[in-house]
Amino acid sequence: QKEVEQNSGPLSVPEGAIASLNCTYSDRGSQSFFWYRQYSGKSPELIMSIYSNGDKEDGRFTAQLNKASQYVSLLIRDSQPSDSATYLCAVIGGNKLVFGAGTILRVKS
Amino acid sequence: KAGVTQTPRYLIKTRGQQVTLSCSPISGHRSVSWYQQTPGQGLQFLFEYFSETQRNKGNFPGRFSGRQFSNSRSEMNVSTLELGDSALYLCASSSADSTDTQYFGPGTRLTVL
Repeated sequence: QKEVEQNSGPLSVPEGAIASLNCTYSDRGSQSFFWYRQYSGKSPELIMSIYSNGDKEDGRFTAQLNKASQYVSLLIRDSQPSDSATYLCAVIGGNKLVFGAGTILRVKS
Repeated sequence: KAGVTQTPRYLIKTRGQQVTLSCSPISGHRSVSWYQQTPGQGLQFLFEYFSETQRNKGNFPGRFSGRQFSNSRSEMNVSTLELGDSALYLCASSSADSTDTQYFGPGTRLTVL
């Protein structure tokens, strides 16, 4: 079992819709969770971090964490074509940051 | 604050050669982590340095090594390059240790011919 799992996609949504990206992790002791966005040919860019169960909102982005289910998600409201990218879920495990393989998001105008 | 910088941005080498990549963290950050990113394997952790000491290491062969200087700048070295070492090498810095938020540099694109 991979430490951090994401659906590779691509996830296609129409412009203006809500995109929902999901991630599960195996280390029950993990305490820190991150979402990064990576455009093709570029480096990962931090979108959000979340440490406590529940929702955390930042503009059009909402991160959701459920430690009991070992599940973290990212919602993107009012999706724009510029949101088209690979979204990486990352979890602190064993004192290092472990990344999922990423989900490709395509927002169609 | 200036972001994480990496040099060079692009590099072409041939098999058997060695290469050294450099990373300057965000000012005040003391932890530097290195990652290899390939289409097939995704982002894989190489190692992490904190206060000039390697604190964590991923599952890479000994051909991959690194170091950190007193000003927190870090270098990684790959010896006896193989075709499979072609990848984007990313450096990330964080303020205290690898459990803190990591900020990535632009990466070094290494091509091994």
